[in-house]
Amino acid sequence: AQKITQTQPGMFVQEKEAVTLDCTYDTSDPSYGLFWYKQPSSGEMIFLIYQGSYDQQNATEGRYSLNFQKARKSANLVISASQLGDSAMYFCAMRETPGANSKLTFGKGITLSVRP
Amino acid sequence: KAGVTQTPRYLIKTRGQQVTLSCSPISGHRSVSWYQQTPGQGLQFLFEYFSETQRNKGNFPGRFSGRQFSNSRSEMNVSTLELGDSALYLCASSLGGFSYGYTFGSGTRLTVV
Repeated sequence: AQKITQTQPGMFVQEKEAVTLDCTYDTSDPSYGLFWYKQPSSGEMIFLIYQGSYDQQNATEGRYSLNFQKARKSANLVISASQLGDSAMYFCAMRETPGANSKLTFGKGITLSVRP
Repeated sequence: KAGVTQTPRYLIKTRGQQVTLSCSPISGHRSVSWYQQTPGQGLQFLFEYFSETQRNKGNFPGRFSGRQFSNSRSEMNVSTLELGDSALYLCASSLGGFSYGYTFGSGTRLTVV
């Protein structure tokens, strides 16, 4: 079974509007972390936001916020006031169990295109 | 503060050859992870090194190997290259604890012909 599911094939948003990128995950580990990364065409993975499984509040970083619904195992990224520079691939990733198993499992990614 | 530096940025190799990619992590970061990104398989974990020891390994054949030096710089090596090894190879560095995030480099784009 996929651990991270990103099913939206491609998203379009008008500049200055908000957009939500969906991510669902699957784990039986009570301790895990969820990440969102942005990958522009240059290839670099840019860290956006992090949510720990025990965090009581939804994470926010500037224009990025994470809608964390633990019971539903979803961690959707909300980008407010979209900018043309937000056009990129967006990846949701999860890290389970601290220590030896310290790797990120990524979803397939979502392409976001911001229209002027 | 310098980011994660990967060299070279682009590489073209012939099938059967071997290749070495380099990653210099952020100063003070002791963990270096490697990922392979292809259009078909997406992002897949290769291995992680922490303080010169391989701490975790993904499901890749033995042709893929790595190492980490005392200054935390890491190299990964792919021997007997196959066409399917063409990919973007990303390196990520971290302080190493569970609460810390990963900073990625710009990647090395390897093309095998």
